[in-house]
Order: sequence, then structure tokens, then C-alpha cells
Amino acid sequence: AQSVTQPDIHITVSEGASLELRCNYSYGATPYLFWYVQSPGQGLQLLLKYFSGDTLVQGIKGFEAEFKRSQSSFNLRKPSVHWSDAAEYFCAVGSMNRDDKIIFGKGTRLHILP
Amino acid sequence: GAVVSQHPSRVICKSGTSVKIECRSLDFQATTMFWYRQFPKQSLMLMATSNEGSKATYEQGVEKDKFLINHASLTLSTLTVTSAHPEDSSFYICSASTSDSGNTIYFGEGSWLTVV
Repeated sequence: AQSVTQPDIHITVSEGASLELRCNYSYGATPYLFWYVQSPGQGLQLLLKYFSGDTLVQGIKGFEAEFKRSQSSFNLRKPSVHWSDAAEYFCAVGSMNRDDKIIFGKGTRLHILP
Repeated sequence: GAVVSQHPSRVICKSGTSVKIECRSLDFQATTMFWYRQFPKQSLMLMATSNEGSKATYEQGVEKDKFLINHASLTLSTLTVTSAHPEDSSFYICSASTSDSGNTIYFGEGSWLTVV
């Protein structure tokens, strides 16, 4: 069955500290992986995506993610978080077919301590 | 870059009335659009796949007669919540993808529906 697991519902880090949000997936075909961020009251914004090639992908706002096929993981990282990073983060998986739906994880809410 | 526009961003309606939400791809053609729903503090749930020129494909458990989807053109899909009830209050988001930029999926800004 296709699924995306984000094991951490909430994560709290101090401003300036490093961050890693976990994501594991189960997908039958070659996965196309995303991380989205949703700020309160707003829609989704794409942070980064993995399609193929280099397994370490760089995104916007200083985020990066590493695709590890052997672990079926696509964890999101940032070396130093800012208070404005407080939001909900969603990992998602889809296929390379543009007409296929994507499957979302349940999200991880990031809290930033001053 | 590709943009998906959703309107209205917020709407309040009375119980029993219907409300329409529009999703437009502004600079690309989208043969397929998706509608998602998000309950407070929960993940996005796919409601249906909107196909231009044909009937939408609904996910299990989604009432097709209540959530009417029309994909009238390659740039517009609409979601109509009929006979709205307070439990329909939610955040609705549409998405569309383009073959440009590696099949990136773009989301609308979302629509907050409150049924009173």
C-alpha cells in the first residue's frame, strides 16, 4: 500500500538550532518526493522536490532533503532555524505521471523557541 | 512560474446553501486537477480527481452528490459544496501539475469554508 509516514506530530527547537524532520514512504513505483510547508491560514508552498539524480536536494529558505532509497526515507533538514520557520511541514510522494495523485503524510508541526 | 489560483480564499455560508470554489491554472493548461480537504490539525485528504471534459473520480467515502466537481476547461475546475452543513467547514485546496519543471505540482492558495 502507498503511504507516507511522518512519525513526529510536533517538534520544538530553539531558534538557531538545527532541524531534521523525518519522512518515510511506501510506494510501488519510482517515487517522486516533495516537502511542502503550510503557514497558519495559508496554502501550501513547495520547499523542494526529488525527481532523480543527486540524492541531496536543495530547496528554498535554506532547507535541504536527502533521499535514501535503502531506508525509504526523505528527511528534511535545516542547519539553523529561524522563528519564521514555525509552520506545518508535509512530506508527500507521487509518481512521475503528472496525472497521478500525490499522497501526503500527516504533517509535522514545528515550534520555535526564542 | 506556474500559478494556480483559488477563489474565494474565505467564504461563510448558511447551512443548507451551496457554495462554489474555483481553481484556475493561470499560465498553463491542466487536464487534471485535484481537490483536497484539510480538517483542523489534520493532514490533507484527497477528495477527488477532476478531469477536463469528463466526470470527476471521487475517493472512497466522498459524497459525489454533495461535492460537485466540474472541469469545464483546461484552466478551470470548480468544487461546489451543496446543501452545506457545519461539518463541511474546512480548508479546501486544489492542485494542478504541468509537464514543465519536471511535473511539479502546484497548489492553490486554499479556501476556508465556514458553514454557520
